[in-house]
Amino acid sequence: NAGVTQTPKFRVLKTGQSMTLLCAQDMNHEYMYWYRQDPGMGLRLIHYSVGEGTTAKGEVPDGYNVSRLKKQNFLLGLESAAPSQTSVYFCASRLAGGPREQFFGPGTRLTVL
Amino acid sequence: AQSVTQLGSHVSVSEGALVLLRCNYSSSVPPYLFWYVQYPNQGLQLLLKYTSAATLVKGINGFEAEFKKSETSFHLTKPSAHMSDAAEYFCAVSGGGSNYKLTFGKGTLLTVNP
Repeated sequence: NAGVTQTPKFRVLKTGQSMTLLCAQDMNHEYMYWYRQDPGMGLRLIHYSVGEGTTAKGEVPDGYNVSRLKKQNFLLGLESAAPSQTSVYFCASRLAGGPREQFFGPGTRLTVL
Repeated sequence: AQSVTQLGSHVSVSEGALVLLRCNYSSSVPPYLFWYVQYPNQGLQLLLKYTSAATLVKGINGFEAEFKKSETSFHLTKPSAHMSDAAEYFCAVSGGGSNYKLTFGKGTLLTVNP
């Protein structure tokens, strides 16, 4: 099993450009999450999904959109990138039941100039 | 709402010394608690978790944590630090009204000196 994978690993954007980050998991997990990590801030939840076709806002959703068209994929979109969105983005997934452990991907480092 | 406080953003120990990373939480219901480790340029990896079974939880790489309800704490310890333990450690809590989410502390960077 590959676990949770993220594409791309690195990206540099100019202000105003758009992009999509892809997260894929092969563990048949129901729940998926997008976080951003900034120095001294820990991980902050952007959006999450509890099943195919459903999404919900997290702690810092502004400027981002998501879609979960397939159970194994969770896409994070930036329609008009801003320098404040420079961050490391992590995707995670977990089973619906059980002890609620989340499994994390390796991250995408995004720089917006 | 649930929250996590990690005391000390940076902890430095000598190789072979005790590691103690502090975590306090708040939750209106019995929580699930987690410690994750993040090595440089990697994702988060689960170290251990508390799920209302034994209050002393053993994890990977010789780490353990004790759930103390009266102190609302879940401190992480390791008897003898190794150079390979140098990483950032995150405490997280799940529980309360929104069972889907984990709330993370801001992290503690552990440095191990030779």
